[in-house]
Amino acid sequence: DAGITQSPRHKVTETGTPVTLRCHQTENHRYMYWYRQDPGHGLRLIHYSYGVKDTDKGEVSDGYSVSRSKTEDFLLTLESATSSQTSVYFCAISESDRGFNQPQHFGDGTRLSIL
Amino acid sequence: AQKITQTQPGMFVQEKEAVTLDCTYDTSDPSYGLFWYKQPSSGEMIFLIYQGSYDQQNATEGRYSLNFQKARKSANLVISASQLGDSAMYFCAMREGGSTDYKLSFGAGTTVTVRA
Repeated sequence: DAGITQSPRHKVTETGTPVTLRCHQTENHRYMYWYRQDPGHGLRLIHYSYGVKDTDKGEVSDGYSVSRSKTEDFLLTLESATSSQTSVYFCAISESDRGFNQPQHFGDGTRLSIL
Repeated sequence: AQKITQTQPGMFVQEKEAVTLDCTYDTSDPSYGLFWYKQPSSGEMIFLIYQGSYDQQNATEGRYSLNFQKARKSANLVISASQLGDSAMYFCAMREGGSTDYKLSFGAGTTVTVRA
């Protein structure tokens, strides 16, 4: 199994509070991704990173920011959480250096509830 | 525009029977790849199978196979000899060749329930 750890696994917080989710990998892969999963929408890309300090927006980036100061860590921050950000968040890494056909591998997800 | 469409929200299948999960995609890029993932009720995402746009043969991995019809832009997943452990949500995803960041676009998923 790919070495991907997400923390926390579950979190309940209140509207307006800041929240940071962490993704840690032990695979030394260049590409890391944050998705959210909502019923009827599948997984939607929030932000991704293609190297240390190199990040870009996905299709649902509003209200989220990311940082990657080390290869192994990719942080997702909700600056001021809203109820619409209640979701399951997945981190993924890609073995892109081994070719186009390499799948993304996912962490176990973080269930975030914003009340 | 939706890049990946999975039109079946849920399906029931009898144990030991085959089931086909539909996936259609939309891209103008001649180079692309299609991935299928399984998500059991425990929540993890498990990679199942990959099909490249230039692959001459349909992909197979054990009981999983892809019915790839390029002209119709469809990449249906076939699970043969269904088992109770196949009950899960299944996602189709696409990576476009013009992308240098290896992103995936996912469909909404299909829930499969295998009946004993």
